[in-house]
Amino acid sequence: KAGVTQTPRYLIKTRGQQVTLSCSPISGHRSVSWYQQTPGQGLQFLFEYFSETQRNKGNFPGRFSGRQFSNSRSEMNVSTLELGDSALYLCASSLGAGPLETQYFGPGTRLLVL
Amino acid sequence: TQLLEQSPQFLSIQEGENLTVYCNSSSVFSSLQWYRQEPGEGPVLLVTVVTGGEVKKLKRLTFQFGDARKDSSLHITAAQPGDTGLYLCAGFTGNNRKLIWGLGTSLAVNP
Repeated sequence: KAGVTQTPRYLIKTRGQQVTLSCSPISGHRSVSWYQQTPGQGLQFLFEYFSETQRNKGNFPGRFSGRQFSNSRSEMNVSTLELGDSALYLCASSLGAGPLETQYFGPGTRLLVL
Repeated sequence: TQLLEQSPQFLSIQEGENLTVYCNSSSVFSSLQWYRQEPGEGPVLLVTVVTGGEVKKLKRLTFQFGDARKDSSLHITAAQPGDTGLYLCAGFTGNNRKLIWGLGTSLAVNP
């Protein structure tokens, strides 16, 4: 069974631009969560989608948004990029949305904002 | 505010040595997870502990959840170079799925 895939793997943008990242979950998984990972803050929860509905949201500004499609694939969008948005963005999928459901992470998209 | 403190931040040891890394908090967690992350990859779940005082073993790795469910430890026996990576602890503080993460312990096992 294929794992979680994320595209693109690397991205360079300039301040003020917007970016869209894509995540394809493991087949059959209906929950997708997004995280931002930086050396200083570690992993921080962005949001979680289950069956196309946002179930949980972290403490990020409205510039960060996401959505999930009927095939469970998910995208996240960051508008008006700032230098501090440079990070590894990780997507994780799980079968369901219970707190003990195992999350499987993709390799991440590394975003550099210049 | 980082709710989960991991120590040490960095650890470099020789193959065959034993080590323990710690994950501490002043908050109570309903469950706590340990992950390992290698360069260029996402974290991989190693274990989930739920009950205070619980001990779980995974080959040479032993995980313990504190009695008060505020802390956890990971002990590796006879470390091998393949154990090299970033060890992360993460916990749920309620029934939601907002995982709280520590900053990790970066482990290097030298042959």
